[in-house]
Amino acid sequence: TQTVSQSDAHVTVFEGDSVELRCNYSYGGSIYLSWYIQHHGRGLQFLLKYYSGNPVVQGVNGFEAEFSKSDSSFHLRKASVHWSDSAVYFCAVKAMPNYNVLYFGSGTKLTVEP
Amino acid sequence: EAAVTQSPRNKVAVTGGKVTLSCNQTNNHNNMYWYRQDTGHGLRLIHYSYGAGSTEKGDIPDGYKASRPSQENFSLILELATPSQTSVYFCASGDSRAYEQYFGPGTRLTVL
Repeated sequence: TQTVSQSDAHVTVFEGDSVELRCNYSYGGSIYLSWYIQHHGRGLQFLLKYYSGNPVVQGVNGFEAEFSKSDSSFHLRKASVHWSDSAVYFCAVKAMPNYNVLYFGSGTKLTVEP
Repeated sequence: EAAVTQSPRNKVAVTGGKVTLSCNQTNNHNNMYWYRQDTGHGLRLIHYSYGAGSTEKGDIPDGYKASRPSQENFSLILELATPSQTSVYFCASGDSRAYEQYFGPGTRLTVL
């Protein structure tokens, strides 16, 4: 079974802390990995993606993610969070046989306390 | 600015009634998607389309139909709505050559 797993449903940190949101996948072959952010009551917005090359990719607003083939992971990180980073974060995968379709993890709700 | 819009934003329907959710995109993207979002499930793909006249089944198509009459418009149709279809529905568009999908603001549907 091909899956995208986000092991933490909720993460709470303080403003200025660093944070890592975890994503593991079980797809084989060539895959595209991405992260999306959803603020309360809004649609999802694209943050960043990885397909090949440098395993550390930069996104908007200081977010970065690191791909690890050996760990089957694509964790999202930010060095210093702001209260406005409070949102739900989704990891997503595109894989064979259909690269037109995204498969989403269940999401991690990040709460940034003042 | 390119955008995906959805209507209505909120809908209350009765069991057995017909519901149509509409989506419009100005991105000129070939692909469009309908998802539902439920707590603990993330986003699940209902139907998608490669272009005008095309509809494809996603992971959970049962109880839903889709219609893509033009490049810009993609509708989701619940012929006989049931309470289990109470959810938040998102439409998205995407270029088949690119990676990102662009999402609408969502429609909250309650079936009583």
